[in-house]
Amino acid sequence: QKEVEQNSGPLSVPEGAIASLNCTYSDRGSQSFFWYRQYSGKSPELIMSIYSNGDKEDGRFTAQLNKASQYVSLLIRDSQPSDSATYLCAVNTEGYSTLTFGKGTMLLVSP
Amino acid sequence: DTEVTQTPKHLVMGMTNKKSLKCEQHMGHRAMYWYKQKAKKPPELMFVYSYEKLSINESVPSRFSPECPNSSLLNLHLHALQPEDSALYLCASSQVGTVPNTIYFGEGSWLTVV
Repeated sequence: QKEVEQNSGPLSVPEGAIASLNCTYSDRGSQSFFWYRQYSGKSPELIMSIYSNGDKEDGRFTAQLNKASQYVSLLIRDSQPSDSATYLCAVNTEGYSTLTFGKGTMLLVSP
Repeated sequence: DTEVTQTPKHLVMGMTNKKSLKCEQHMGHRAMYWYKQKAKKPPELMFVYSYEKLSINESVPSRFSPECPNSSLLNLHLHALQPEDSALYLCASSQVGTVPNTIYFGEGSWLTVV
């Protein structure tokens, strides 16, 4: 069974701090990795995608991938209260890009 | 703003009704998806269409019937639903065969079955 594991949280950080969200996956054949942000009552919004080992930065967000350890993370620098949401880690495991989702980590950023 | 548009945003239907959810994308994607999401759970895949053909059906009950009239449109026909089918229904689209093959979600349709 292909699995994606995330801590459910909540992860609480003060405003301005770095939030670190982690995800592990079981299928070594996984190709692409995604982080979606989902506000309560809204649909998932793509934050980052990554498919090569190493870091990928986009503004305040950095995705990190380590395929040997089957680990992907999302760092959010200078966290803002507006970053408070559930962050879903998703992994592509099939040719037609069906995604396997983790259960999501709730992030709370306090002013 | 998302380029995957879903209508209606909210739908309340009785267990004997027939209704449809509609989805349209203008990104030239050739794969389209229906996902179902219950509260505090991740999205669950229901159907995948690739090049307008149904490629994946995740053992979804027959009271949900998908249709892909063309490469831009995706419908989900609903009939004789149960209260436990109340959820957020998400349409999504992507390219086919690229890496990474990013899936983009619409804003969703909130369905309540009474």
